[in-house]
Amino acid sequence: DQQVKQNSPSLSVQEGRISILNCDYTNSMFDYFLWYKKYPAEGPTFLISISSIKDKNEDGRFTVFLNKSAKHLSLHIVPSQPGDSAVYFCAASERGSGNTGKLIFGQGTTLQVKP
Amino acid sequence: EAGVVQSPRYKIIEKKQPVAFWCNPISGHNTLYWYRQNLGQGPELLIRYENEEAVDDSQLPKDRFSAERLKGVDSTLKIQPAELGDSAVYLCASSFDRFTEAFFGQGTRLTVV
Repeated sequence: DQQVKQNSPSLSVQEGRISILNCDYTNSMFDYFLWYKKYPAEGPTFLISISSIKDKNEDGRFTVFLNKSAKHLSLHIVPSQPGDSAVYFCAASERGSGNTGKLIFGQGTTLQVKP
Repeated sequence: EAGVVQSPRYKIIEKKQPVAFWCNPISGHNTLYWYRQNLGQGPELLIRYENEEAVDDSQLPKDRFSAERLKGVDSTLKIQPAELGDSAVYLCASSFDRFTEAFFGQGTRLTVV
């Protein structure tokens, strides 16, 4: 059972435009969410996170939005740059339980930013 | 500051052979994770250590996989014997504690033929 789902395997946007990557989850116990970026032949790199007590977190060009009632989060990249082309993974964890630290990852979305 | 270091980067072995992966976490990080990533999927946790104690190994196939983290620093993950289905990227990650973000190494790509 896939607890974290990224239903779009790929996304292509023009440089300078907004990229929106989506993620859905099923476990209502998840209270901490992260986005990782992965380039080919490298390990995932932490990008941004959000706690369930917030509905928005911003870091430069990257903003994560959390809609707890819909069990949905999204990553916005504005403006998109060619160097943002990578695979983006959404991950979730239960920080308030014994499973703290265990990240459940989505399948990933491949973002291509065209010059 | 050095990141998480893994070796080897690539490994090709025949089925039924043993294989071992090594991980050196970021200095000062008490929590260490081993993940497995199959093609087209996200990473899946195999085992998590708090210092030298394995606190979550529910996803580790214990009949053929073993792991250790001696002295609470470096860690090794072993598969014996390897099966074709073990072909994947094995990722090591570390974090200061269980509440903070995990940093990943580059991974070891294992191919079992």
